[in-house]
Amino acid sequence: TQLLEQSPQFLSIQEGENLTVYCNSSSVFSSLQWYRQEPGEGPVLLVTVVTGGEVKKLKRLTFQFGDARKDSSLHITAAQPGDTGLYLCAGVGSGGGADGLTFGKGTHLIIQP
Amino acid sequence: GAGVSQSPSNKVTEKGKDVELRCDPISGHTALYWYRQSLGQGLEFLIYFQGNSAPDKSGLPSDRFSAERTGGSVSTLTIQRTQQEDSAVYLCASSPTGQFAGNTIYFGEGSWLTVV
Repeated sequence: TQLLEQSPQFLSIQEGENLTVYCNSSSVFSSLQWYRQEPGEGPVLLVTVVTGGEVKKLKRLTFQFGDARKDSSLHITAAQPGDTGLYLCAGVGSGGGADGLTFGKGTHLIIQP
Repeated sequence: GAGVSQSPSNKVTEKGKDVELRCDPISGHTALYWYRQSLGQGLEFLIYFQGNSAPDKSGLPSDRFSAERTGGSVSTLTIQRTQQEDSAVYLCASSPTGQFAGNTIYFGEGSWLTVV
């Protein structure tokens, strides 16, 4: 079983601060996805990183895939209240298919105005 | 609608009763997934349908859980003899194909099940 550990589990910061969320595993993934989930809604895909060392930017969000494809980070610059939500990472195993997508437990992020 | 539609959005049921949760995927999507999200837990895979192939049921937690997909479109997840530990949000998702790499999976808003 491939496990993904996310840290921190909870984070509450002031508007304008920077933050980093981590997603770690002892397993290698063919790709890794980040989702954001708001209360009462389903997760929404933010990005997929595929290549070891890959960095992708989505406005103030920067996603990085570790060189060994075992870990990833999400960095948010100048956080806004609209960034509040549950951030989930999901690793895609080499086997693919539905049970090849393993989710972490998520990071609950609150941005205080 | 344009997105994945789930019903009911909320369901409160008594322990021991059966419940049915419905999912209407995005039109044309061949792959359909059911996940369960419990408080403080990540998404737990339940079952996966791909086209006309036999479903991948490897994530179903017990034989009280079953799902079917009729006509390659709408899916129903059935939980028989519900238990309190079944309380969770049940999320349905669909994607154009069953391959994750380079593919986007779209989630519905979920059905919140409370067993009392």
